[in-house]
Amino acid sequence: KQEVTQIPAALSVPEGENLVLNCSFTDSAIYNLQWFRQDPGKGLTSLLLIQSSQREQTSGRLNASLDKSSGRSTLYIAASQPGDSATYLCAVRSSYNNNDMRFGAGTRLTVKP
Amino acid sequence: DAGVIQSPRHEVTEMGQEVTLRCKPISGHNSLFWYRQTMMRGLELLIYFNNNVPIDDSGMPEDRFSAKMPNASFSTLKIQPSEPRDSAVYFCASSRSGRDTDTQYFGPGTRLTVL
Repeated sequence: KQEVTQIPAALSVPEGENLVLNCSFTDSAIYNLQWFRQDPGKGLTSLLLIQSSQREQTSGRLNASLDKSSGRSTLYIAASQPGDSATYLCAVRSSYNNNDMRFGAGTRLTVKP
Repeated sequence: DAGVIQSPRHEVTEMGQEVTLRCKPISGHNSLFWYRQTMMRGLELLIYFNNNVPIDDSGMPEDRFSAKMPNASFSTLKIQPSEPRDSAVYFCASSRSGRDTDTQYFGPGTRLTVL
């Protein structure tokens, strides 16, 4: 059974810092990996989706990488802003059943002004 | 597009009562997912539909939970009878099938409290 782990569980940084969030998964047979953002009391917003054949995806100040063989993904946030404060979740979709998506517990990010 | 719509946004009920959660997926999406999020267990997939047909309900915790999708624009998740441990936020998500367009789009969730 796929297990997804996110470290750290919480992170607090001053505004302007670059930061990295980590996601690891136990089964490398994945269809794709997706990073989401969740604001308190709200639903999830998709940030980046990396297909299994890709190594990275970029959107604005966000860059996500994927190393399938080692079971790892990172989300890099450049020049962090207070508006980036949220919980970030990674989700891995199985290649055996690509509607089976497993979520990590998330990293709660606080960016201080 | 209005995105995925869920109702109600909040539901407070007493143990033993029937609860029905509703979801309207994004128009044109043919896959629909129900998730539950709790502090203890995180986000868990309960059931998903493809073209209105339930494909995998192995995540449904008990027989008290049931889900239907009578047409492409509506789905319900029902809990009968409800118990305090069912308290959670329930999310509905939809996606198009196909490799390049399979991002899941989530609704705002229904926060359920069972007293």
